[in-house]
Amino acid sequence: AQSVTQPDIHITVSEGASLELRCNYSYGATPYLFWYVQSPGQGLQLLLKYFSGDTLVQGIKGFEAEFKRSQSSFNLRKPSVHWSDAAEYFCAVDGSGTYKYIFGTGTRLKVLA
Amino acid sequence: EAGVAQSPRYKIIEKRQSVAFWCNPISGHATLYWYQQILGQGPKLLIQFQNNGVVDDSQLPKDRFSAERLKGVDSTLKIQPAKLEDSAVYLCASSDNRGGYEQYFGPGTRLTVT
Repeated sequence: AQSVTQPDIHITVSEGASLELRCNYSYGATPYLFWYVQSPGQGLQLLLKYFSGDTLVQGIKGFEAEFKRSQSSFNLRKPSVHWSDAAEYFCAVDGSGTYKYIFGTGTRLKVLA
Repeated sequence: EAGVAQSPRYKIIEKRQSVAFWCNPISGHATLYWYQQILGQGPKLLIQFQNNGVVDDSQLPKDRFSAERLKGVDSTLKIQPAKLEDSAVYLCASSDNRGGYEQYFGPGTRLTVT
């Protein structure tokens, strides 16, 4: 069965520091992978997605993610975090392009001034 | 382009009462989803519509939850009767099925059952 694991429930970083949020998936083939961000009281907004091709994908708000097939991972990174990045981040998997997601449990990011 | 609209944004009811949520997807999007997001968890798919037909409702508690999408546009999700464990944010999303595989989410309805 497909599954998505986000090992870190909470992460705290200082403003200006780099960030990496982890996502591991379980699926037989290469899935379609997504990162969404959810600010308090808001719906989910797509940061970036990966289907195929270049394993390093660029997204909005200065985020990027790298797909590593050997590690079944799709980690989200940002070189310098801004206070406005404080939010909850969800990794999602669509097993075979069916438009049906399985979400991870999320990582809540806190940014210290 | 207008986003996914949901109402109400907040609702507080007592257990055993009924409640309904409304969703208007992005114009032209054929697929509509309802998710339940319990505090501290990721969204869980309750039901998926393709136009006005149900594609997947395997995780919908059908003894108390119902949903419809008349005319393939707006959708309503109902809970009757509500239980304490139904307290959650109910998210509506839509997609255009044109190869982007992206779902667009509304702001959600926060339900509190007391």
